[in-house]
Amino acid sequence: GAVVSQHPSWVICKSGTSVKIECRSLDFQATTMFWYRQFPKQSLMLMATSNEGSKATYEQGVEKDKFLINHASLTLSTLTVTSAHPEDSSFYICSPRDTRENGYTFGSGTRLTVV
Amino acid sequence: GIQVEQSPPDLILQEGANSTLRCNFSDSVNNLQWFHQNPWGQLINLFYIPSGTKQNGRLSATTVATERYSLLYISSSQTTDSGVYFCAVVIYNQGGKLIFGQGTELSVKP
Repeated sequence: GAVVSQHPSWVICKSGTSVKIECRSLDFQATTMFWYRQFPKQSLMLMATSNEGSKATYEQGVEKDKFLINHASLTLSTLTVTSAHPEDSSFYICSPRDTRENGYTFGSGTRLTVV
Repeated sequence: GIQVEQSPPDLILQEGANSTLRCNFSDSVNNLQWFHQNPWGQLINLFYIPSGTKQNGRLSATTVATERYSLLYISSSQTTDSGVYFCAVVIYNQGGKLIFGQGTELSVKP
């Protein structure tokens, strides 16, 4: 099955700093990467969709200059939360699209706490 | 856009009991998925089920696409079944992104 590595698992940062989250597909190539955000007791909300080598498409209400997505290779995508504020504290989940199968794969998530 | 609604929002079961979770969607879909999110946040793909019935061990799912709903059955529940169950529809003309329901939080007590 598809193996996804996401790290860090959790991070605490000071307000105003930036945090980078990495997502790797270890045994398949992902031309498409989805990034989700999940607040406590809520569902997953799609933030953006990125395709390898092109700019990400952001969902309405998601600031593209705040949440920088890089998808430079078929096995690695990064999400950088710039100038983080406490309201950015959330659980961030990557989902590389594995087109070999009908299922979807997910990273183990990154719990971000901004203090 | 497509709306995805799940019920019940919360469910508490005694170990060994059976349960049925429901997912309604507002428009025709080509693909519906069920996921389990464990207490540590990891999402696991349970079923890809655009129509018909599938079974995997104690879990089975049925989708009636013409009536726009899907059901997830859990039989002989175990404490390890606890977590949140999400259904999601796939939007193929938008890169295959998923629209998630709000989830059903299941707690199985020993």
